[in-house]
Amino acid sequence: GNSVTQMEGPVTLSEEAFLTINCTYTATGYPSLFWYVQYPGEGLQLLLKATKADDKGSNKGFEATYRKETTSFHLEKGSVQVSDSAVYFCALSQAGTALIFGKGTTLSVSS
Amino acid sequence: DGGITQSPKYLFRKEGQNVTLSCEQNLNHDAMYWYRQDPGQGLRLIYYSQIVNDFQKGDIAEGYSVSREKKESFPLTVTSAQKNPTAFYLCASTVGQNSNQPQHFGDGTRLSIL
Repeated sequence: GNSVTQMEGPVTLSEEAFLTINCTYTATGYPSLFWYVQYPGEGLQLLLKATKADDKGSNKGFEATYRKETTSFHLEKGSVQVSDSAVYFCALSQAGTALIFGKGTTLSVSS
Repeated sequence: DGGITQSPKYLFRKEGQNVTLSCEQNLNHDAMYWYRQDPGQGLRLIYYSQIVNDFQKGDIAEGYSVSREKKESFPLTVTSAQKNPTAFYLCASTVGQNSNQPQHFGDGTRLSIL
């Protein structure tokens, strides 16, 4: 079946460091891919998405490219801020199925 | 503004008690979902509904029940059969399950045992 695997955390960085959170997926066909962010005590917010191979999703300085050849959708940001501290979830969606999430990666950024 | 409202934000359950978590959306979305979130386990699907008066079990439906009498409402009941109900519960909705549109989430309800 479909699944999402993302790197385990926590990830601890200093402000202005480069961020990568790895995400790989298993799916038949061509799923849509998403990154969601969850701040403490809140629900999930959509961060970015990509719906087909080679698409790049971007938002708030974060980027991720849909790589079908490596079945990956890694999240990157060139310079993190303290306000980026949160839990990040990679997810996939395929027509006719519910959203499937990775286990989440906790990011902690210190000043 | 359109969105999803979950209530209450915090809920406490006594032994042997059923409790109901509310989820209301004004986005005119067809599909609605309930997830359970435990530390280190990500989100697990409890129930989902694609249309009024219809719903399906997710991966961990045992001990839970739902109804979908109105398009905008999808309440979740945690029954006494759910022996480990302490968790963060999230409700979500999307235009339709057969689309690849993202899900919109509420702010969650944290359920604890007294």
